[in-house]
Amino acid sequence: RKEVEQDPGPFNVPEGATVAFNCTYSNSASQSFFWYRQDCRKEPKLLMSVYSSGNEDGRFTAQLNRASQYISLLIRDSKLSDSATYLCVVVGDSGNTPLVFGKGTRLSVIA
Amino acid sequence: NAGVTQTPKFQVLKTGQSMTLQCAQDMNHNSMYWYRQDPGMGLRLIYYSASEGTTDKGEVPNGYNVSRLNKREFSLRLESAAPSQTSVYFCASSEGYGREQFFGPGTRLTVL
Repeated sequence: RKEVEQDPGPFNVPEGATVAFNCTYSNSASQSFFWYRQDCRKEPKLLMSVYSSGNEDGRFTAQLNRASQYISLLIRDSKLSDSATYLCVVVGDSGNTPLVFGKGTRLSVIA
Repeated sequence: NAGVTQTPKFQVLKTGQSMTLQCAQDMNHNSMYWYRQDPGMGLRLIYYSASEGTTDKGEVPNGYNVSRLNKREFSLRLESAAPSQTSVYFCASSEGYGREQFFGPGTRLTVL
């Protein structure tokens, strides 16, 4: 099983829709989780950390399910500007890899 | 605050040439990282420096060397470039090992 797995998409949704991505991880001892956003040909940028109790930042909600070893990102009222690739990030289980990045889920919001 | 800066932004090399990619951060972070990103492959860690004075190999270190010059600067050197090293290279930094990372704008490298 890969350390971090994401559905690559693309997810094509209309403006105003709600969309959710899941990400599964293999290391049950992982303690830190993040969502990053990457626009085409740009650097990844931190979107939000994921806390055990779940957390919300405006239209974005992140959840952690330790029992099933996945994290999720929910985007409400999608905007055209939300079109990007969303990277799931987990603290790695190897001493040589501080963070493990998923390959990303591509989202396209359509007018 | 400039955050993480990288130079150059673009570079074209011929096979066998050498070059150094420069990275600097002004956030007083302890840890710094070099990644490469290829289409369909996601980010892959080349080398990292958990703290000033230390460097460690990541997932794909072959063909690269690094130097943590001081707390601010972390350079990546290609001694003899190969076409397989054509990629986008990102530098990142974090307050500590395992903390959220902040990325520079990247260097787009083509090796002919």
